[in-house]
Amino acid sequence: GAGVSQTPSNKVTEKGKYVELRCDPISGHTALYWYRQSLGQGPEFLIYFQGTGAADDSGLPNDRFFAVRPEGSVSTLKIQRTERGDSAVYLCASSLTVWGLNQPQHFGDGTRLSIL
Amino acid sequence: LAKTTQPISMDSYEGQEVNITCSHNNIATNDYITWYQQFPSQGPRFIIQGYKTKVTNEVASLFIPADRKSSTLSLPRVSLSDTAVYYCLVGLNNAGNMLTFGGGTRLMVKP
Repeated sequence: GAGVSQTPSNKVTEKGKYVELRCDPISGHTALYWYRQSLGQGPEFLIYFQGTGAADDSGLPNDRFFAVRPEGSVSTLKIQRTERGDSAVYLCASSLTVWGLNQPQHFGDGTRLSIL
Repeated sequence: LAKTTQPISMDSYEGQEVNITCSHNNIATNDYITWYQQFPSQGPRFIIQGYKTKVTNEVASLFIPADRKSSTLSLPRVSLSDTAVYYCLVGLNNAGNMLTFGGGTRLMVKP
C-alpha cells in the first residue's frame, strides 16, 4: 500500500523566494504532522492537523510559515520570503486516531529544501 | 515533556545483540516510551512502543524497569542494514500529540 508521499523530493531556490511543499498522507489518516529536520539533529515539530483544521501550530517558527489542508487529505506547507536558515529536510507524517489515541506516525521521506 | 538522554553513537558487529539504553528520569505517569529508526535520506520509522515491563515484536524488544526512568531497546542479531539512527521518545499517547525527538543514537553495524 502507498505510504506518505512528499513532493518535491528536492527543492533548490534563491533567498527571498516563495516555496510550497506538498504532503499526501496515507488514505484514511485524519492526523497529519509537519516536522523540520536539520543535519545531524532529530526532527522538530512544526504543525499538526486533525482533519482540515490546524489543531496545534505552536512549532511554526514565524509568520513566514503557513500550512493548509483544505479537504482533510493533502497538505501544503508554504514558506514566504525564504531565508538561508530555512534550509532543512521537511518531513510529513500521518496517523490514525482511534478512540482518542495516537496510532504510530508514518513518515514520508521528506523534501530537502536548499535556500541559496 | 520528559527529556531523554541516550548515547550519541554505538558500534556493533553483524550477528550481535545490540542494546540501546535511554534515560528519562522525569517521565510522567501517563507517558509512553516509543522508539523510531531513521535511515539516511528517509523519514523515521516506528519500531516499538511500551508503557511498562517488556514489549516484543518482530523487529525488537523493549525493556522498561519498574521505575520507568529508563528503557532499553534490544535488537537481536543485527545486520549491516540495521545501521541507522535510533530515537527514544517519551510522551503522551493522546491523539494529536506531536513527537519530540532528541538527538538519537547513531548505530554503526560493521561486518
